[in-house]
Amino acid sequence: DAKTTQPPSMDCAEGRAANLPCNHSTISGNEYVYWYRQIHSQGPQYIIHGLKNNETNEMASLIITEDRKSSTLILPHATLRDTAVYYCIVRVARSQGNLIFGKGTKLSVKP
Amino acid sequence: GAVVSQHPSWVICKSGTSVKIECRSLDFQATTMFWYRQFPKQSLMLMATSNEGSKATYEQGVEKDKFLINHASLTLSTLTVTSAHPEDSSFYICSAVPGGNTGELFFGEGSRLTVL
Repeated sequence: DAKTTQPPSMDCAEGRAANLPCNHSTISGNEYVYWYRQIHSQGPQYIIHGLKNNETNEMASLIITEDRKSSTLILPHATLRDTAVYYCIVRVARSQGNLIFGKGTKLSVKP
Repeated sequence: GAVVSQHPSWVICKSGTSVKIECRSLDFQATTMFWYRQFPKQSLMLMATSNEGSKATYEQGVEKDKFLINHASLTLSTLTVTSAHPEDSSFYICSAVPGGNTGELFFGEGSRLTVL
C-alpha cells in the first residue's frame, strides 16, 4: 500500500468546516483513499473512501485531486465531538488485508 | 455499517495472570479478523491476523506463545495475553472485514489492559 503524509495536528473552530489534507503521491491506479478517525480511547471509525471522484456521505466529503496525489477530508460543520485523530490510508480496493496506520492528524475542535 | 464488539472494554489484572479478550462480529461473518495494539500517544500496530479454522499469523516481534489467538467461529476471535506483565499494558483493538464489501474494516471499541 502507498504511503501517506498528513500534518500532525490542526485546530478548527466549532461550527466551521475542518479541512484535513493528505498527500499520497505514490498511489497506484487500483488504490482507494480511505479515511478513519479515532476518538480518544475508542476503536477507529470508518468515515469515507474514494477512488478518483469526490465523495460525500452523512459524515464528511472527500475531495481527491485530478492526479490523485492528494486528497482533503472535509467536515462541513465541525463539532466538539469531532475532536479525534484522523487517519488517511491508501489501500487496494476490496482488499481483505489489514490497514496500516500512520500517525494521522490530531484535529482539535475548539469552542 | 457493520458492528464489531469487544469484551471486556477494560480489565485490570495482576502480573503473571492471563487475560482473555473477545472480539465478535455482530451482524456479519468474518473469516479474517485483525488484532492491533496501541500504546499511549502512538498509532495502531498490527499484532496478528486471525483466520477462522486455522492458525493465526503473527507480525514480526509479536510472541505467539504469549498472545494466543483463537478464531473458532466466523463471528468470534479471542486474544489471550498469557502471563501478563506491566509492559503488556496497552489498548488492544480488533477489526474485521465483512465479505463482499468494498474493503473497509470495522473496528471494535477496544480493550484497555492494565497489568499491575
